[in-house]
Amino acid sequence: QKEVEQDPGPLSVPEGAIVSLNCTYSNSAFQYFMWYRQYSRKGPELLMYTYSSGNKEDGRFTAQVDKSSKYISLFIRDSQPSDSATYLCAPQGGSEKLVFGKGTKLTVNP
Amino acid sequence: DTAVSQTPKYLVTQMGNDKSIKCEQNLGHDTMYWYKQDSKKFLKIMFSYNNKELIINETVPNRFSPKSPDKAHLNLHINSLELGDSAVYFCASSLQGWDQPQHFGDGTRLSIL
Repeated sequence: QKEVEQDPGPLSVPEGAIVSLNCTYSNSAFQYFMWYRQYSRKGPELLMYTYSSGNKEDGRFTAQVDKSSKYISLFIRDSQPSDSATYLCAPQGGSEKLVFGKGTKLTVNP
Repeated sequence: DTAVSQTPKYLVTQMGNDKSIKCEQNLGHDTMYWYKQDSKKFLKIMFSYNNKELIINETVPNRFSPKSPDKAHLNLHINSLELGDSAVYFCASSLQGWDQPQHFGDGTRLSIL
């Protein structure tokens, strides 16, 4: 089983839709959970950073972690064309290296 | 003001050549990284340095040699380039260690002819 599994998509939604992006992971040592956004021909940029289980909200973005089922989610409300990018989940634990999912490519159509 | 900058942005070269990629961060971070992103967009760690010392070397061929002259710089030298080395190489930095958010450069696109 791969350490991090992420549906690569692509995912295409109309503007204003609610988007749900998900990852599963296998390493129970992971404690920190990050979401990165990568625009075309750019480096990944940190979007959300959470520790342990629970929810974290930042504007239109909500990150959710369920450690019991090893499931990570990112929700985008009122999606905008500027949200069109690849979203990478990246769990990490203690001294373990950051492991990236393969990314989900999202397109928000005006 | 660019936080993590890489040069060059594009590198096109022939098989067998030696090339270097430079990375500099002005964030005052202690830890720097090199990642490889292949054609399938999979981002994988290659090296990690903390305050100029090598922390992680992820089963990368010996042809790849990182060098950190100071904690703000981490360069990557590649000997005897092969076709499979074609990828986008990203430099990143974090305040101190893996559990801190990482800031990425915009990548160096390496194409081997």
